[in-house]
This record gives sequence, structure tokens and C-alpha cells, in this order.
Amino acid sequence: AQSVAQPEDQVNVAEGNPLTVKCTYSVSGNPYLFWYVQYPNRGLQFLLKYITGDNLVKGSYGFEAEFNKSQTSFHLKKPSALVSDSALYFCAVRSATGSARQLTFGSGTQLTVLP
Amino acid sequence: DTGVSQDPRHKITKRGQNVTFRCDPISEHNRLYWYRQTLGQGPEFLTYFQNEAQLEKSRLLSDRFSAERPKGSFSTLEIQRTEQGDSAMYLCASGRGGSNTEAFFGQGTRLTVV
Repeated sequence: AQSVAQPEDQVNVAEGNPLTVKCTYSVSGNPYLFWYVQYPNRGLQFLLKYITGDNLVKGSYGFEAEFNKSQTSFHLKKPSALVSDSALYFCAVRSATGSARQLTFGSGTQLTVLP
Repeated sequence: DTGVSQDPRHKITKRGQNVTFRCDPISEHNRLYWYRQTLGQGPEFLTYFQNEAQLEKSRLLSDRFSAERPKGSFSTLEIQRTEQGDSAMYLCASGRGGSNTEAFFGQGTRLTVV
């Protein structure tokens, strides 16, 4: 079975400061990892993904994420937060080698950027 | 791309009634997913289609739930004899290619069972 843990329900950060949203995963074999963002009354929007190669992946709106195989983590980061980054963030995993095709999501982290 | 479209956006129904939701994926996307999301939770997988074939179903998908994707284009999700516990946001997503590609989500259908 595959699973995702987002240990923080809520992250608050001041505008202009760096932000980190944490994610750890469990999956058979190698993982495909994804981050999505959800604004109120909107669907999930894709931010970035890790498939293979460079452990640091860059995505939309200045976000990046670092894959750490030994710690089974895929934390989302941004060097300088904006108030408009305030939203609900979801990490998701799929096995690269298993037969399951579903994306398994974490429970989400509410990011609030304070002006 | 016009995006994934879901209809209706909102549905209020009485307990025991049947409801049907429609999803129109992005054109030429061969993969289609249905998820359910309740307040404060992440999306939970319901079912997966590759073209017209339903290849995966979650144990969450009880006998009251059925999904179809005729001709590999749009998909419908039907819930029979709705219960209050079915109240949730139902999300559809589509993708192209293999399992290493991202899925694109629609805005969802919010179901309220009264």
C-alpha cells in the first residue's frame, strides 16, 4: 500500500520569508511524487513533480521541492513567500513500479502567508 | 486545452435518491480518475479508467456507486440510494500518457445529501 503523510495541518509564514511544507511518503519501489495546490472553491492545480534524476525539482510560481530517498521525503519550498501563496497544499505519490495507477494524497497543509 | 469540466457544480438531493455526475476530460487524455474529498481531508481515490476500460476501483466504491466511460471520452459517476455520508466534493481528473505524468483536475461537483 502507498501512503503520504503531511505532518503539519497549518503552516504560517511572514511574507518575504522562506517557506517549507513537509511531506513524507511510503511506496513499493521507486516513487513518482507530486505537489498540488487548492484555492477555495477551486479544483487542484498541479505545481511540480519528481520522476527521476535531479533531486531538486522546480515548478510553477517559484516553488521547488527536494526529493530525499533516504528520508522518504519530498518537501515543498519557496525562497520568498507571497500573500497570494496562501492556499491548501497536497502532496501525492504513485509507485513507479507497482500496478496501482492511483495517486494517493496526503491530508493537506493549509499555508497562510501573513502580510 | 479547455480543462476538465464537471457538471453539475453543485447538487442537493434527498436521502435515498439517485444522482449522476458527468466529467468531460481534456481532449485526447486517455486516463481518467474519480476522487472524493471531504472537508479538511485530501482527495480519496474512487476509480480509474484507461480509455473506456475501468482498471481500478477503490474499496470505498460500494455497490451503490458505479462509473462508466463509454467510448473513452466523457465519464459518469452514479450514486444510488444516496446517504448523508455521501456528502462530499467529487473530483474528476484526466491525464495523458504513462503513470509518470500529472493529472489535471476539474473544479468538482459538491454533493449535499439532506
